[in-house]
Amino acid sequence: EAGVAQSPRYKIIEKRQSVAFWCNPISGHATLYWYQQILGQGPKLLIQFQNNGVVDDSQLPKDRFSAERLKGVDSTLKIQPAKLEDSAVYLCASSLGGGSYEQYFGPGTRLTVT
Amino acid sequence: AQSVTQPDIHITVSEGASLELRCNYSYGATPYLFWYVQSPGQGLQLLLKYFSGDTLVQGIKGFEAEFKRSQSSFNLRKPSVHWSDAAEYFCAVGASTDKLIFGTGTRLQVFP
Repeated sequence: EAGVAQSPRYKIIEKRQSVAFWCNPISGHATLYWYQQILGQGPKLLIQFQNNGVVDDSQLPKDRFSAERLKGVDSTLKIQPAKLEDSAVYLCASSLGGGSYEQYFGPGTRLTVT
Repeated sequence: AQSVTQPDIHITVSEGASLELRCNYSYGATPYLFWYVQSPGQGLQLLLKYFSGDTLVQGIKGFEAEFKRSQSSFNLRKPSVHWSDAAEYFCAVGASTDKLIFGTGTRLQVFP
């Protein structure tokens, strides 16, 4: 069974530039999550999708972050414009949903904003 | 609100020694509890989970954890640590609508 795929693995940009991350969840998983993990901290949920609808985006900085999940499968997370404090690892995870809390994580994208 | 506390930021053990990583949670009902491991440059991998039933749960890589409701704890243990166990360990509690709340993690260093 293929795992959660993410790309790119690493990205370096200057502040005020834009960046996009891509995630392909495990086939059949209805729920998709984007997390931000700052060095030395645990993952913080940015947005949760159930199929192609948003369940929770309460911690997503909507003035600069956006996310979409077209057709309920792949998802993209965008930052525009980036700030220095956005430097972090962005993790994508998926689960079956419907009360299944077990989440499967991708390898993450390490973003450095200079 | 649900929360998870991992009191130990960094733990160092010798290879072959036993290990216990602490986790305390705050949750009103019976919690769903998880331990994940993150190796450098990798995503999180599920070690074990507790939903209900037997309070001692077995996981992968020889890890186990014990749920103690009276202490609001879910500590992770391993009887004999291997050098490959060096990683970051995260405890998490299930919140509403299939969400997980993570602790801040414990970094494990293993000396030969």
